[in-house]
Amino acid sequence: GQSLEQPSEVTAVEGAIVQINCTYQTSGFYGLSWYQQHDGGAPTFLSYNALDGLEETGRFSSFLSRSDSYGYLLLQELQMKDSASYFCAVRGDKIIFGKGTRLHILP
Amino acid sequence: KAGVTQTPRYLIKTRGQQVTLSCSPISGHRSVSWYQQTPGQGLQFLFEYFSETQRNKGNFPGRFSGRQFSNSRSEMNVSTLELGDSALYLCASSTEVARTDTQYFGPGTRLTVL
Repeated sequence: GQSLEQPSEVTAVEGAIVQINCTYQTSGFYGLSWYQQHDGGAPTFLSYNALDGLEETGRFSSFLSRSDSYGYLLLQELQMKDSASYFCAVRGDKIIFGKGTRLHILP
Repeated sequence: KAGVTQTPRYLIKTRGQQVTLSCSPISGHRSVSWYQQTPGQGLQFLFEYFSETQRNKGNFPGRFSGRQFSNSRSEMNVSTLELGDSALYLCASSTEVARTDTQYFGPGTRLTVL
């Protein structure tokens, strides 16, 4: 079967760094993506890793290890506006999304 | 470029009725995917269309169906609605066959079944 696991909630302090992990099990693998969704909003694309290693986009970075079926999203210099849910997603035989990680940011 | 649009934005139906939701992708995008989102369950994949052909289907009962038109617009239909079908239905478009690195989501249709 196919599955993704990510923590349901993470709490961090404004200005700090937080890492959201994602482990996956799929039949076939084309890449790992991350999406951000604010309450009441639609998911928006953040980053994509097809190959092992780190991809950096401003304050956000994403890492993939295909041998470990593992990836993470790293958010630096946290801002209150980063409070949202974050989803990892993979495309194997089908598209699957994790259940999302709710990020709480404390002032 | 206009984003993905979905109509209607909100819908209230009663059990046993049927509903049709519409999605217009970004101009030039030929792939449309549909998802159901409920609290605590994340986004669950319903189906994926590319150039009017269903390429993939998720694990949903046959009451859920969809189609794509020649202009890439897509509709999904849910027949014999059940209370558990209350959810946010999202569609996403992309230029290729739903590579998850390029999906652009619409605002969703909030369906409430009473």
